[in-house]
Amino acid sequence: EVQLLESGGGLVQPGGSLRLSCAASGFTFANYGVSWARQAPGKGLEWVSSISGSGSSTDYADSVKGRFTISRDNSKNTLDLQMNSLRAADTAIYYCAKGWKDFGMDVWGQGTTVTVSS
Amino acid sequence: QSVLTQPPSVSAAPGQKVTISCSGSSSNIGNKYVSWYQQVPGTAPKLLISENNKRPSGIPDRFSGSKSGTSATLGITGLQTGDEADYYCGTWDSSLSAFLFGGGTKLTVL
Repeated sequence: EVQLLESGGGLVQPGGSLRLSCAASGFTFANYGVSWARQAPGKGLEWVSSISGSGSSTDYADSVKGRFTISRDNSKNTLDLQMNSLRAADTAIYYCAKGWKDFGMDVWGQGTTVTVSS
Repeated sequence: QSVLTQPPSVSAAPGQKVTISCSGSSSNIGNKYVSWYQQVPGTAPKLLISENNKRPSGIPDRFSGSKSGTSATLGITGLQTGDEADYYCGTWDSSLSAFLFGGGTKLTVL
């Protein structure tokens, strides 16, 4: 069974940092691009970042560019999102998802909650 | 305001059919695949349709997708109360180099 399990969420002060991780299982991780998306309380889905299967290509939403860094370790089947200079507007449930570009995201994790507040 | 435009809400009676539209432009829907997602409140999104009209394994054929020009449509037939959820379209935008989600459509089965 294909599974994605996020971890690392929590409460952080504005300007602080947090690192999210996503553990993948049930598929050949290195063969697929993967993505992060988020959903602020009461709002719709927002794409955050994507990375190719090899890790050589990355893309970011303008709202996080320069502050967030996506990376992957294909030897450990893990996806990470390093989040720096966090703002209240970054408060959301963060989901990792298998898939990228216009091929869509066919498997989603259960999400991890990030709250940025003083 | 989302680059991909969806109606905020749609509604229909059980057993009826409903369509949800998603309007974009030539840099996104016009030249890229569209996917559709269902999200029951409090749960993670689920892929319903990929590559404009492909249903993943386990998705009933009551759900269908189509695309014409710079617009896409999700169709749901034989509506059930369990279909009540938020529905999102999504696609890649080649000008923005970004994945876009529509603003979402809340389906109410009356």
